[in-house]
Amino acid sequence: QLQLQESGPGLVKPSETLSLTCTVSGGSIISSAYYWGWIRQPPGKGLEWIGNIYYSGSTYYNPSLKSRVTISVDTSKNQFSLKLSSVTAADTAVYYCARWFGELNFDFWGQGTLVTVSS
Amino acid sequence: EIVLTQSPGTLSLSPGERATLSCRASQSVSSSYLAWYQQKPGQAPRLLIYGASTRATGLPDRFSGSGSGTDFTLTISRLEPEDFAVYYCQQYGSSLWTFGQGTKVEIK
Repeated sequence: QLQLQESGPGLVKPSETLSLTCTVSGGSIISSAYYWGWIRQPPGKGLEWIGNIYYSGSTYYNPSLKSRVTISVDTSKNQFSLKLSSVTAADTAVYYCARWFGELNFDFWGQGTLVTVSS
Repeated sequence: EIVLTQSPGTLSLSPGERATLSCRASQSVSSSYLAWYQQKPGQAPRLLIYGASTRATGLPDRFSGSGSGTDFTLTISRLEPEDFAVYYCQQYGSSLWTFGQGTKVEIK
């Protein structure tokens, strides 16, 4: 069974860079069928798509976050990562990683990790 | 960018009742890439419906999806206690993915 697990600091200072990694187990990140994505959810609010990456490194970002987001992939470790720069309190959220499988959309999700932006 | 608007924001119903959730897109969406998710407190979203009308593996048949173009519907024919949750629609198109703002189905 495929599993995704987010990891990274739970507290980030304003103006700094948020960095998270998603480790994929039970399957390979190298597949022409999948994209790997990041989605976030501020406390008490809805879901916001951040961006997706293909195993080859091709990326797609939410236009509203594009200037601050970098998603990368490390196929040797079966991981993909998120960097969000110049964070503010508005970036406080639960961050999820997920697999996008075409018409099945986001079919597998990590459990999510809360990142709080505070000094 | 396609905006998805879900209605109502909150649906107050009793177990056994029928729930009808709406998802309206600002422009036409490919039915192949329209999905519905269920989220319970403290949990990650769970895929329910994909391709607008196909149930995910193991999903009870009381859940059904329908629609095309700009109007999509998730129907729960008879609410069970475990169905009270927040539901999101989501679409993919033109290399962009968007979610609706969610509909909360709460116990009346």
